[in-house]
Amino acid sequence: AQSVTQLDSHVSVSEGTPVLLRCNYSSSYSPSLFWYVQHPNKGLQLLLKYTSAATLVKGINGFEAEFKKSETSFHLTKPSAHMSDAAEYFCVVTYTGGGNKLTFGTGTQLKVEL
Amino acid sequence: DTGVSQNPRHKITKRGQNVTFRCDPISEHNRLYWYRQTLGQGPEFLTYFQNEAQLEKSRLLSDRFSAERPKGSFSTLEIQRTEQGDSAMYLCASSMTSGGSYNEQFFGPGTRLTVL
Repeated sequence: AQSVTQLDSHVSVSEGTPVLLRCNYSSSYSPSLFWYVQHPNKGLQLLLKYTSAATLVKGINGFEAEFKKSETSFHLTKPSAHMSDAAEYFCVVTYTGGGNKLTFGTGTQLKVEL
Repeated sequence: DTGVSQNPRHKITKRGQNVTFRCDPISEHNRLYWYRQTLGQGPEFLTYFQNEAQLEKSRLLSDRFSAERPKGSFSTLEIQRTEQGDSAMYLCASSMTSGGSYNEQFFGPGTRLTVL
């Protein structure tokens, strides 16, 4: 079984300040973990992925995430928020051998204020 | 545009009617997935195909839901005798999968179903 828990349903930051979106996972297998972003009226887009290589993963638009097995966490960070980052973010887990079907968290709505 | 496309984008129907959604994956992708997303939730896996074979359908929500991918290209998702609880966004994704490694799933824009 596998699941992810996104610890915050809403996060609000000021433009130019750091972003932290928290995610904890549970998996009976060696997991692959992802962050997807969903802008209004647009499809889900992959931000970054962890698949058992480097534990610090860099993604698009300046985002990065660190896989911490001891803490079962995969938090998403960005040093400086931009207005265009406002969107819904999903932490996602899967494992090879299971058809790669994705299990999504409930999402974190990121608001960026001037 | 060579991304995943879904039609229609919006569908409004009355309770009890049947509806069918279509997904056209990226042309060289061999895997196709269907997910459902209700308001305030993350997408939930429903079923997936590798080429024309439906490899898992246990997560389809009831026997009113069925999916096909007859020639290993486009896929349809049908809901019979719709209920108000079926109102949701239905998402399709495709990937090119080889061996056991993970390959990115590319998502379409979704079909938003409203059952009155």
